[in-house]
Amino acid sequence: QSALTQPASVSGSPGQSITISCTGTSSDVGAYNYVSWYQQDPGKAPKLMIYEVSNRPSGVSNRFSGSKSGNTASLTISGLQAEDEADYYCSSYTSSSTVIFGGGTRLTVL
Amino acid sequence: EVQLVESGGGLVQPGRSLRLSCTVSGFTLGDYAMSWFRQAPGKGLEWVGFIRSKPYGGTTEYAASVKGRFTISRDDSKSIAYVQMNSLKTEDTAVYYCARHRRGYAFEIWGQGTMVTVSS
Repeated sequence: QSALTQPASVSGSPGQSITISCTGTSSDVGAYNYVSWYQQDPGKAPKLMIYEVSNRPSGVSNRFSGSKSGNTASLTISGLQAEDEADYYCSSYTSSSTVIFGGGTRLTVL
Repeated sequence: EVQLVESGGGLVQPGRSLRLSCTVSGFTLGDYAMSWFRQAPGKGLEWVGFIRSKPYGGTTEYAASVKGRFTISRDDSKSIAYVQMNSLKTEDTAVYYCARHRRGYAFEIWGQGTMVTVSS
């Protein structure tokens, strides 16, 4: 099963909003509301930012939001801050009872 | 404090085996499904497989890239999850992470990772 498709990089200035897309198929993103997003700083373990498409774990800033339309999920970060600079990964449960990740998106805060 | 600590990584020759452990504290391992992941140097995250909790059968699922070579198990009495890695290949070189599931196949608590290098 191929990885989910994410842009390799996105950038934005402090205070702006950015959106990272995550495109899958009708067998994964489109089939279930089991899309999650992770933030990873270099050399660190990933951190869960969004689960079940649009839910934020306790402690995650409300500047982070998630959505889904068809086979594409999106992560939006509003009020961009320097500390948001990191790699972001989406993941989805699949109809094969497996989990797949996107290739990752490097967010640069200009 | 909820914590996961991976151990057992190291340098291993191609074709050999290695077992990684994920020791948890601060919660009851038996209440949760657990997953293993890996990240090759400079690459993205890859899910390796997961094991369900005993109430859900304790069954396992694997990524195609490791199916038949890797086996995930758990010892809830010791608060440890394992991944037994056999017939290792150079492409298995990566940092390996374990993580605790939350609902919806999301992974809410991660360990710090352990490096596995497969090389002759």
